[in-house]
Amino acid sequence: DIQMTQSPSSLSASVGDRVTITCQASQDISNYLNWYQQKPGKAPKLLIYDASNLETGVPSRFSGSGSGTDFTFTISSLQPEDIATYYCQQYDNLPRLTFGGGTKVEIK
Amino acid sequence: QVQLQESGPGLVKPSETLSLTCTVSGGSVSSGSYYWSWIRQPPGKGLEWIGYIYYSGSTNYNPSLKSRVTISVDTSKNQFSLKLSSVTAADTAVYYCARVFVRQHFGVVVTAHNDYWGQGTLVTVSS
Repeated sequence: DIQMTQSPSSLSASVGDRVTITCQASQDISNYLNWYQQKPGKAPKLLIYDASNLETGVPSRFSGSGSGTDFTFTISSLQPEDIATYYCQQYDNLPRLTFGGGTKVEIK
Repeated sequence: QVQLQESGPGLVKPSETLSLTCTVSGGSVSSGSYYWSWIRQPPGKGLEWIGYIYYSGSTNYNPSLKSRVTISVDTSKNQFSLKLSSVTAADTAVYYCARVFVRQHFGVVVTAHNDYWGQGTLVTVSS
């Protein structure tokens, strides 16, 4: 099975900061990687699919990049409403969809 | 707008079977572009994919849960359901149903992601 290592597990940043989260796959997954945002008490929300495609309606300060084994999720300018936990999700050709461990983003 | 709503008991006794239903509105479980999935989240922890079903009845389960999980679909009611047997306290979690958008090209998956989610329902396993 493919293992996803997401880091860091938590981070604290100031409003306006650039925030970067990484996800590393144990083997090549091409661009089979999605990113979700989960606010407390709410269901996750799809932000980025297929590594770099912005879901409709998602602000452009969110972006994703990478392919193969190394992926990056970026918030270009952190806003107070971005406080949440972010998850990567990889999928394979069955497809099976598995999640990374999550990154909790807080305001400094 | 597609909406999903989980329903079922909030409390299940150890060793018994957890049963949940997801009712879909604004879309059809019979649509060929989508799979219908269950995902859970233990309190304070991360997300775990449980499995999914296609309208034809074909399923795929998380290997770690496969021996205890059954997902079924009722196209006449536009619902799909989860059964998890022999539950323990470790199965206490918020359970989400979610749609999986899948596109394939000559049998190869080119995209798969959970685009719509239910609000989630907490199931506690306790005597």
